[in-house]
Amino acid sequence: GAGVSQSPSNKVTEKGKDVELRCDPISGHTALYWYRQRLGQGLEFLIYFQGNSAPDKSGLPSDRFSAERTGESVSTLTIQRTQQEDSAVYLCASSLQAGANEQYFGPGTRLTVT
Amino acid sequence: AQRVTQPEKLLSVFKGAPVELKCNYSYSGSPELFWYVQYSRQRLQLLLRHISRESIKGFTADLNKGETSFHLKKPFAQEEDSAMYYCALRTTQGGSEKLVFGKGTKLTVNP
Repeated sequence: GAGVSQSPSNKVTEKGKDVELRCDPISGHTALYWYRQRLGQGLEFLIYFQGNSAPDKSGLPSDRFSAERTGESVSTLTIQRTQQEDSAVYLCASSLQAGANEQYFGPGTRLTVT
Repeated sequence: AQRVTQPEKLLSVFKGAPVELKCNYSYSGSPELFWYVQYSRQRLQLLLRHISRESIKGFTADLNKGETSFHLKKPFAQEEDSAMYYCALRTTQGGSEKLVFGKGTKLTVNP
């Protein structure tokens, strides 16, 4: 079956522009997570969705970052007024439910802010 | 504070040699630990979890609460084991949950 998909796979944008990253989780997975991986660093948690609600937004680095999820399916991560330090690989993961033993990761979106 | 430390950024061994990738954690709650692996040009995937006490691809990891460690071991490394390995801690707090990752260890198994 299809795994987690993300689009675009690569995005180059100019500083100050807004970008939108998309994640399609595995069908039926109620929990969805966004992580960020900057060069040479581990994965950094951004936000967690249970269904369409986000009980934990504490990982979002600034108010330029926002995310939403609709229909307990697709999620979008939006970064406004991008900065060079936003350059990273943004990873999405889903799991069957909160507390499940495995998170399934997408291939990531590589964002480069010039 | 919740933290996962992987002290080795790079680890290189020869085929057939034993390998140990170190992981230490800091967490006030009951720890749930995982090893994730990323092979070249593939997505991150679960290798094993401490709850299952399983051996996957010859790898094992034992949770040592006294030493707050969850080291990954394999007695005889293979070239196909070359990959990035991430240790991760699941944390739950106030209705939220997330994985806290270490910075990863790049394992190279030489022929």
